[in-house]
This record gives sequence, C-alpha cells and structure tokens, in this order.
Amino acid sequence: DTEVTQTPKHLVMGMTNKKSLKCEQHMGHRAMYWYKQKAKKPPELMFVYSYEKLSINESVPSRFSPECPNSSLLNLHLHALQPEDSALYLCATQNRPGLAVDTQYFGPGTRLTVL
Amino acid sequence: AQKITQTQPGMFVQEKEAVTLDCTYDTSDPSYGLFWYKQPSSGEMIFLIYQGSYDQQNATEGRYSLNFQKARKSANLVISASQLGDSAMYFCAITLDKVIFGPGTSLSVIP
Repeated sequence: DTEVTQTPKHLVMGMTNKKSLKCEQHMGHRAMYWYKQKAKKPPELMFVYSYEKLSINESVPSRFSPECPNSSLLNLHLHALQPEDSALYLCATQNRPGLAVDTQYFGPGTRLTVL
Repeated sequence: AQKITQTQPGMFVQEKEAVTLDCTYDTSDPSYGLFWYKQPSSGEMIFLIYQGSYDQQNATEGRYSLNFQKARKSANLVISASQLGDSAMYFCAITLDKVIFGPGTSLSVIP
C-alpha cells in the first residue's frame, strides 16, 4: 500500500481565515514532506519531518505552521495568508529520511485559493 | 550546487510512437538517486522510475525505461508505445539529502 491521502482536495479561504491541511499515511514511512507548487512549475520544498521532528524549514513564512502529531499524520496550519500563497500543496512520504535511494510518494494534493 | 535541467518545455508525440524526454543533472556527490514523476492535470505526482548512481543497468518499468549515461550526467526517460493517458507534465528529480526537481516537460499525445 503506497497511498498517501490529503484533505481537503480543494480549499478557498480569505486572508483573515485560519485553516489546516491534513496528510495521512499508513506505510510506516519515517519522513514526511510539504511542498508548494505553482502552476506549470516544479514543486518547492517547504518542510521536512524526520521521525516526527522538524528537520528542514526552507525559510517558509510563519503564516505557514507545520505539525506532526504522530508518525502517520502531518498537518499544515494556515493563518493570514496572502493571495500569492494560492497553489497546489503536496504532501510526500519517504521510508528512510534523507536516503537518496528511497522513493518519495506523493499525495493527490490540496488546491488552495486565497481570496 | 545541484541542478536539474529539462530542455524540452513541451513535446508532442503520435499515439503508439516512442518518445524520449531529456534530463541532465549536475552534482559532485558520487551517491545520488534519479527519479521521474508524472503529473497529470489532476495534480497528483506519480512515481514512474528510479535509477541509482551506482546501478550498472538502465532501469525499466513496463513501458518506461531510463537511458542513464553517468559520464554525461544524463538520465533520459523513454516512453514506448505512447498512449493518450500519457499526456501530462513529467518531472526529472535528483535526490541527495533532499529532492531537487527539474522544470518539467509537458507531453501531449496526439491521436
């Protein structure tokens, strides 16, 4: 089972709203990632969690706040976003953190629109 | 610094024909992984094929094969017998301590 699920599929929010994106995996993978992808561009890494601890923050603005409550769940809390934050947000997992030979498996993504 | 180049922003291929998508990379690290992902308009990134830097043979997965030329630092994806469902964005990626994606190639399969 290589399934990674993400909810919601679509999200529209105002600049003053607080919302959360959720990612779930049951593969026992120990690394989880958040990526942001703008249209016709490659994914950009935002955060990496290794063994449920934040290991990489790619200088992401504080209006994005990640959380890893347990080894199966990864959340991205959103607050006071800007219209330019509208994008596809992808979650990915990897069995062994930081190992080049391990494949990253992606979820279907959440399409976020900030009005 | 690591870098991935995909020189073909867009490509067209006739259904049932083979197509090659180019990918070159630049790294001084001897140990790395090379991946190809497919992204249809629905948005999901679908893993296609993997090649390790120490692998002697080119990777194959069904209709996908990877033409790995280590000395030239290239890892081209070959799709045989193209199908309409192959129309999508294709990303080449290199993994070291993290994944770095190329800019992508948009493939359109023509009936």
